[in-house]
Amino acid sequence: KQEVTQIPAALSVPEGENLVLNCSFTDSAIYNLQWFRQDPGKGLTSLLLIQSSQREQTSGRLNASLDKSSGRSTLYIAASQPGDSATYLCAADSSGSARQLTFGSGTQLTVLP
Amino acid sequence: GAVVSQHPSWVICKSGTSVKIECRSLDFQATTMFWYRQFPKQSLMLMATSNEGSKATYEQGVEKDKFLINHASLTLSTLTVTSAHPEDSSFYICSARGGRDTQYFGPGTRLTVL
Repeated sequence: KQEVTQIPAALSVPEGENLVLNCSFTDSAIYNLQWFRQDPGKGLTSLLLIQSSQREQTSGRLNASLDKSSGRSTLYIAASQPGDSATYLCAADSSGSARQLTFGSGTQLTVLP
Repeated sequence: GAVVSQHPSWVICKSGTSVKIECRSLDFQATTMFWYRQFPKQSLMLMATSNEGSKATYEQGVEKDKFLINHASLTLSTLTVTSAHPEDSSFYICSARGGRDTQYFGPGTRLTVL
């Protein structure tokens, strides 16, 4: 059964810093790996989706990498802003007939002005 | 991008009553819909997967008689929490997948059982 772990659980940084969020998964047989943002009391906003054949995806100040062989993904946020404060979730989409997302527990990010 | 709506966005009910939550894919046909539950400061936990026209597949530990799921059409799935109790209070999120890739998530429904 797939297990997804995110480190750190919480992170507080001053505005302008570059930061890295980590995600690891136990079963490398994934279809894709997704990163989401969740604001308090809200649903999920999809940030980046990396197909299993890809190594990275970029959107604006966000860059996500994927290393299937080691079961790791990282989300890099450049020049952080207070508006980036949220919980960031990664989710592994399992391959095979029973496609489903397995979520990590999230990293709660606070960017201080 | 594809849009998934949920209704209601929040609901408060008395213990013992049943609550129905709707999940709709607004601009695509969803062959598969998923229901998740999220407790405060915790991640999303998959409750069940439903395919249009067939019975839902429930995850281990989820009571199928308590959480009734109906996926009667390619754009609508409903989750009914029967005889709700305070421990059922949670944030319920649905998602829909039309093709092979992305799941599109609804905005969630906050259920509070008094």
